[in-house]
Amino acid sequence: QSVLTQPPSASGAPGQRVTISCSGGTSNIGRNTVNWYQQVPGAAPKLFIYSNNQRLLGVPDRFSGSKSGTSASLTITGLQSEDEADYYCGVWDDTLNGPLFGGGTKVTVL
Amino acid sequence: QVQLVQSGAEVRKPGASVKISCKTSGYTFTGYSIHWVRQAPGQGLEWMGGINTQRGGTKVAQRFRGRVTLTRDTSITTAYLELKGLTSVDTAVYYCAREVDVVDFWGQGTQLTVSS
Repeated sequence: QSVLTQPPSASGAPGQRVTISCSGGTSNIGRNTVNWYQQVPGAAPKLFIYSNNQRLLGVPDRFSGSKSGTSASLTITGLQSEDEADYYCGVWDDTLNGPLFGGGTKVTVL
Repeated sequence: QVQLVQSGAEVRKPGASVKISCKTSGYTFTGYSIHWVRQAPGQGLEWMGGINTQRGGTKVAQRFRGRVTLTRDTSITTAYLELKGLTSVDTAVYYCAREVDVVDFWGQGTQLTVSS
């Protein structure tokens, strides 16, 4: 199915670990690599993890991505206040014949 | 450096049309497709369509077919989104973004407000 499902919110105290899931289907995550975008209020999304687990230059190594079957996840190990943002998974969908994005997860640092 | 600079905020009445531009620089324009993604207030990212900047071929998401026209002008490395038959539901921020295998760089966004 051409839908990517993310939890609407996730939170943790500074230093804790937070994992965001992204559930898709055989036409998207099951066939193609997953990317993650970070969006702060009032700004455009920014790509920061691509090809399932590759961090862009400058992205801290506390961010990691993984994929298994038709699901993917983003993990923040050692949460910091500057990590507060909305995070979107994105993947090419072969049925849509275009990029598909999850609904976004708002990460809050308690 | 790679830049995608979009045109400014627009206000339209219901039933009207709007054309948003996306001026690119810092890379080979025809080496990447340009996609258009919108974000309604407090909502997620919704793909509207994309254009192959080299050949001009377009793909438009089914829900926008008949209302969206995508074009580009390679001489000025600019892509355009035209949206017709506007309703209040079209009030959103519209982004252009480039892609080859992955959607990487995004424009700053254009706020469209549809109100009578």
